[in-house]
Amino acid sequence: AQSVTQLDSQVPVFEEAPVELRCNYSSSVSVYLFWYVQYPNQGLQLLLKYLSGSTLVESINGFEAEFNKSQTSFHLRKPSVHISDTAEYFCAVDQAGTALIFGKGTTLSVSS
Amino acid sequence: SAVISQKPSRDICQRGTSLTIQCQVDSQVTMMFWYRQQPGQSLTLIATANQGSEATYESGFVIDKFPISRPNLTFSTLTVSNMSPEDSSIYLCSVYSPRQGGYTFGSGTRLTVV
Repeated sequence: AQSVTQLDSQVPVFEEAPVELRCNYSSSVSVYLFWYVQYPNQGLQLLLKYLSGSTLVESINGFEAEFNKSQTSFHLRKPSVHISDTAEYFCAVDQAGTALIFGKGTTLSVSS
Repeated sequence: SAVISQKPSRDICQRGTSLTIQCQVDSQVTMMFWYRQQPGQSLTLIATANQGSEATYESGFVIDKFPISRPNLTFSTLTVSNMSPEDSSIYLCSVYSPRQGGYTFGSGTRLTVV
């Protein structure tokens, strides 16, 4: 069975600092990987996804994630965060459309 | 990507009653999924609903408590039956779009049971 582990439940950082949110998955077959973001009192939004091809994927707001098959990881990074990046971030794994399995989430708190 | 209309957006219900949540998709989809997000928690898959067959429930969820209907390829309902305060959560539906290689989520139903 697939599972997702987000290694940090809370990550506090200062504005303009770099950040990495860690995600590891377990699966015996090829998977698709996703990061979703949930801003306070809002719905779930897709941040980025890895389906195939280049192992480095980027979002439009400066986040990137790298698929590492040997380490079964899909860590999310941003070189310089903003206050507006404060949100809950969820890593999720999917086996070709069978349903998303979510990690427990990481709360990113950005302060000035 | 598909657009999902989910209703109601929120409700406050008395314990012992039932609430039916509806999801309407603007295109035909084979699989629809129902999730629960308890306060401060991640999303947990309740069941997968395919048109024309019984829904497949995840461990810890049963049809008597969460009956699901899937009458066609654009619509599904989830009923939360005989509610208790522990059922207070956000319930979300989701669809998979092979063309986009990803999932779309409804805006969620925030349920409070008193």
